[in-house]
Formats: sequence, C-alpha cells, structure tokens
Amino acid sequence: GEDVEQSLFLSVREGDSSVINCTYTDSSSTYLYWYKQEPGAGLQLLTYIFSNMDMKQDQRLTVLLNKKDKHLSLRIADTQTGDSAIYFCAEFENTGKLIFGQGTTLQVKP
Amino acid sequence: SQTIHQWPATLVQPVGSPLSLECTVEGTSNPNLYWYRQAAGRGLQLLFYSVGIGQISSEVPQNLSASRPQDRQFILSSKKLLLSDSGFYLCAWSRDVSGNTIYFGEGSWLTVV
Repeated sequence: GEDVEQSLFLSVREGDSSVINCTYTDSSSTYLYWYKQEPGAGLQLLTYIFSNMDMKQDQRLTVLLNKKDKHLSLRIADTQTGDSAIYFCAEFENTGKLIFGQGTTLQVKP
Repeated sequence: SQTIHQWPATLVQPVGSPLSLECTVEGTSNPNLYWYRQAAGRGLQLLFYSVGIGQISSEVPQNLSASRPQDRQFILSSKKLLLSDSGFYLCAWSRDVSGNTIYFGEGSWLTVV
C-alpha cells in the first residue's frame, strides 16, 4: 500500500540550514506537500510541488523532488527559532487520497 | 473566498458514548473532503475521504464512520467511543483530484475518559 516515511527528529543551530527528508512509495502522486504544525495548532501549508517538477524555491524554503527515487526534501535556509515545529510531508494521489508522513520534529537551538 | 469550519473545537466524552464531529466548507462546490486523526505525539492518519456526495472511502477499520449528507458537509461519527479514539481530529478539503489546493479546519480535540 501507499506509504510516506520521514525521520522523526532533527536538531539544528539558529542560522544554519535545515534539511528535512521524506520518501514515498506511490508513483501516481500528483502533488507533494510540506505542512508545518506548531504546538497545539493545526496544519499550515508551507509549500507544494507538482510531480513533474524537480525543484521549487519560495523565499527561505527550497523543495527538491527526485521522482526516480521517490524522495522529497525541504530545505530551510537561515533557520530561526520560530521555525521550531513538526513538519509533515504529504502526497496527493490522482484517486483523491492525501497521505501524510509521521512528521519530523525540528528543534532549533539558539 | 473559501473557508472550512469544524466543530466542536474540544470535547470530553465518556467511554461508550456517541460522537459527532461536523465539518462544512464554504465558497466552493464538489470538494474532496477528508477526516484525519492525530494521536498524541504521532503523525496524521487518514480515516476517511470523499470525492462526492454519498461516496466515502474508509482507510482504517475501526468504530468510526463518516457521512456526507450534503456536498459541502462531512460528518465523523461513532456509536460507542473507545479510550483509543482520543486525539486531534482534522477535517480538510481539496478543490478536486488535481490536489493543488488543500485546506484544513481548525481541528477538534477529543478526550475520551
């Protein structure tokens, strides 16, 4: 069945770059997403990439997609303490299903 | 503009009691609708999704059910809650199967005691 995997935890120092990785299994994915969840809050869409793209940049965020390896990454440049949160990757399939990974907790140390 | 409403925001229910969480979407028609659960310290689990009225796909067999009585209304129900049903429930919608716009409700915190 479909599966989306992420590492559970990442710790970086303020000002460094963060790279959060995600792998997925379903080749029919149309869109892939990154969501941010702050403590006690709902999900905030950060960015998304269409499956026929390799890269998308949006201010401090860079998304890389390796479709052959089914690997997605989110790079946050100049990471700030306000970036501390749980980051979820998700894949949207052409059947209408939206599947999330387990989430990566990003800890930013001052 | 499109908005999504989900209620109640929080509820505490005893084991064995029924549940009804409601989600409505405004400003669009024929959306894809989703129910997710996020248990404490865990990721998002897709429970149900619907691509049209009366069309419900269940992802996880359990004592929950979903219904879509109207185009923009999605209801999550249970006849008898279990302790393990506690969690944060999120409703979401997408415009269509292209998936390029997906929005989440504010979430409902359910504690089963």
